[in-house]
Amino acid sequence: QKEVEQDPGPLSVPEGAIVSLNCTYSNSAFQYFMWYRQYSRKGPELLMYTYSSGNKEDGRFTAQVDKSSKYISLFIRDSQPSDSATYLCAMRRQDNDMRFGAGTRLTVKP
Amino acid sequence: EAGVTQSPTHLIKTRGQQATLRCSPISGHTSVYWYQQALGLGLQFLLWYDEGEERNRGNFPPRFSGRQFPNYSSELNVNALELEDSALYLCASSLNTEAFFGQGTRLTVV
Repeated sequence: QKEVEQDPGPLSVPEGAIVSLNCTYSNSAFQYFMWYRQYSRKGPELLMYTYSSGNKEDGRFTAQVDKSSKYISLFIRDSQPSDSATYLCAMRRQDNDMRFGAGTRLTVKP
Repeated sequence: EAGVTQSPTHLIKTRGQQATLRCSPISGHTSVYWYQQALGLGLQFLLWYDEGEERNRGNFPPRFSGRQFPNYSSELNVNALELEDSALYLCASSLNTEAFFGQGTRLTVV
């Protein structure tokens, strides 16, 4: 079993839809959680960073962490074609060891 | 503040040669992570350096090696290049919080 599981998709939604992206993990030592957006052939860009269970909102993006279920989510409201990218979840232990999910490819159709 | 910088941007090598990739972390960041991303695939963890020491390495052969210098910059060396080594190599830096990526070095082995 991989430490971090993420459905690679692809996921295709119409413009304006709410997008839900998810990751599960097996190691309870992960304490810090991140979501990255990666456009084709570019380096990943940090979208959200959180370290506690609950929700964190930033504009159209909401990151949700449930440590008891070892489950994290990223919600994108009012999705736009410019949101089309690969989204990667990442999680880090207290000692800075970090792991990534495989990434979910999202396409938002106009 | 400058972000993570990687050089060169592109690198073309012949099978059997050696490649050296460089990464300068964000000022003050002590952790550097290296990842390989083959076309259409997710991030594969290569190496993690912190405070000049190798902390962890992924499931790659020994011909993938690296080091971290006293100024926390890092170098990834790939010996005896194979065609399958063609990929985007990404570097990320961190200081006990979220990690930030460079734009990567695209290595092509011909």
